[in-house]
Amino acid sequence: AQSVTQPDARVTVSEGASLQLRCKYSYSGTPYLFWYVQYPRQGLQLLLKYYSGDPVVQGVNGFEAEFSKSNSSFHLRKASVHWSDSAVYFCVLSAGTGGYKVVFGSGTRLLVSP
Amino acid sequence: NSKVIQTPRYLVKGQGQKAKMRCIPEKGHPVVFWYQQNKNNEFKFLINFQNQEVLQQIDMTEKRFSAECPSNSPCSLEIQSSEAGDSALYLCASSLVGKNTLYFGAGTRLSVL
Repeated sequence: AQSVTQPDARVTVSEGASLQLRCKYSYSGTPYLFWYVQYPRQGLQLLLKYYSGDPVVQGVNGFEAEFSKSNSSFHLRKASVHWSDSAVYFCVLSAGTGGYKVVFGSGTRLLVSP
Repeated sequence: NSKVIQTPRYLVKGQGQKAKMRCIPEKGHPVVFWYQQNKNNEFKFLINFQNQEVLQQIDMTEKRFSAECPSNSPCSLEIQSSEAGDSALYLCASSLVGKNTLYFGAGTRLSVL
């Protein structure tokens, strides 16, 4: 069975600082991996996705993520955070094709302090 | 901004009442998913459709929930008799056939008093 672990429930960083949100997955096949962001009272917005190719994928608003098969990880990074980045971030795994087996991480709440 | 439109944004019902929410998928997306997100950020898959046909659904959905995606009308999810445990954010997502990327709406937040 597949699983996604986000080990950090909460992360606080200062505005302008760099950010890494961690994600570990478990899946025997080749996963589709996503990062979504959820702002207060909103749905999930897609930040970036990975399936194959360059292990570093670029997303919106300066976010990027790096896939590591050896570490079973898909960490999200940003070089310089802004207060508006405060939100909950979800790492998501989709197994197989067609999006029918989707596993959500538990989310990491990011607080950017001034 | 999301191209998946969900209405209403907020829904307040008493126990035993019906609760109905709607979703217009992104244009050109024939696959629609419904998820329930609870206050602990746990996501539960409810049901999915391809065009008007149900592809998969969980047992809970079969018993108290009903859903449909009629042609040329919004998809809908209805809880026949709301329970306190149904209080959650209901998310609709859409995708292309055979594609794994889900595009979510803003959700309908249901509160069952």
